[in-house]
Amino acid sequence: GQNIDQPTEMTATEGAIVQINCTYQTSGFNGLFWYQQHAGEAPTFLSYNVLDGLEEKGRFSSFLSRSKGYSYLLLKELQMKDSASYLCAVPQTNAGKSTFGDGTTLTVKP
Amino acid sequence: EAQVTQNPRYLITVTGKKLTVTCSQNMNHEYMSWYRQDPGLGLRQIYYSMNVEVTDKGDVPEGYKVSRKEKRNFPLILESPSPNQTSLYFCASSLGGADGETQYFGPGTRLLVL
Repeated sequence: GQNIDQPTEMTATEGAIVQINCTYQTSGFNGLFWYQQHAGEAPTFLSYNVLDGLEEKGRFSSFLSRSKGYSYLLLKELQMKDSASYLCAVPQTNAGKSTFGDGTTLTVKP
Repeated sequence: EAQVTQNPRYLITVTGKKLTVTCSQNMNHEYMSWYRQDPGLGLRQIYYSMNVEVTDKGDVPEGYKVSRKEKRNFPLILESPSPNQTSLYFCASSLGGADGETQYFGPGTRLLVL
């Protein structure tokens, strides 16, 4: 089966950098996704890692270590609008089955 | 506009009264899924479908049914809703295949079962 762990809550200051960690245990691996979900809204795609290393996309970067079963999402130059829940997700196969972590609620304070 | 639509967006019903939540996507995606989300919990997959007439159980399928008669539609059916099915439901679709797992979510359906 799949097990995904991420911190429940984090708080950071506007303009700062925050790192949200995700550890996973899977029977197979087809990449790892990060989604952003604002309160009351649908999740939206942020990043996808299938190979080890850092993927940078503007203020957001995502890192993957397959040997350690570990990923993190790095948010730079935090803005108030970054206050949201961040979901780590691992597809189990190439057949549509996915497991999500419980999400990390990030609060950005002035 | 490429999108996933769900209807209704909000629904209040009573225990045992059958209901259907519709989901439609206009992106010609192969894969579609239903999730439920409860406070403090992440998204839990109810059912997913790889193609027309091909569906499979996710992690929490009990009390739900789905069908995939057309590629664009993937309705979620609650034959006899119970209060523990009160939740926020999301439909999602993805292109499918090794490089097509990015999921696009509908706006959500908030269901209250009394």
